[in-house]
Amino acid sequence: ETGVTQSPTHLIKTRGQQVTLRCSSQSGHNTVSWYQQALGQGPQFIFQYYREEENGRGNFPPRFSGLQFPNYSSELNVNALELDDSALYLCASSLEKANTGELFFGEGSRLTVL
Amino acid sequence: AQSVTQLDSQVPVFEEAPVELRCNYSSSVSVYLFWYVQYPNQGLQLLLKYLSGSTLVESINGFEAEFNKSQTSFHLRKPSVHISDTAEYFCAVTPSGGYQKVTFGTGTKLQVIP
Repeated sequence: ETGVTQSPTHLIKTRGQQVTLRCSSQSGHNTVSWYQQALGQGPQFIFQYYREEENGRGNFPPRFSGLQFPNYSSELNVNALELDDSALYLCASSLEKANTGELFFGEGSRLTVL
Repeated sequence: AQSVTQLDSQVPVFEEAPVELRCNYSSSVSVYLFWYVQYPNQGLQLLLKYLSGSTLVESINGFEAEFNKSQTSFHLRKPSVHISDTAEYFCAVTPSGGYQKVTFGTGTKLQVIP
């Protein structure tokens, strides 16, 4: 079975630009969560998608938005980039909406905002 | 809401020595508890989890953690560390019901010294 894959792995943007990060969930998983991991910090929950609908959101402004597609892949979009958006963005997939515990993470997309 | 406190940001330890990484959590509801490991330039991998039942849980590579409800702790231990255990370790918590918003601690960097 294929694991969680994310693209791009690295990217550099300037303030005010927009970015789209992509995630393919592990085979058979229908739930995708996005996390932001700033340097030296733990991952912070951005939001979760279950069957193409947002199913929970952390303390992030509306310029952070997402999508989930029928094949359960997902996108994270960030508008009006700020310097503090520089971070590792992690996608994690899981099997069910119900809380079974384990998240399967991709290797992340490292965003640098200049 | 849940929170996780990892008291040590870095823990240096000599190879073959024992180690304990501390984790305390706060929650008004029952929770599931996890330890994830992150190797350099990689995503997070589940090391072990406590859902219910025996309060002592073990991983396949010799780590163990004990859920202590009265002390709201979930410390990670290993009796003898190897160089390959050098990584960052994150304690995490999620409500035992509802969607999978997983809250992570700030991480502990374990540095194994030869």
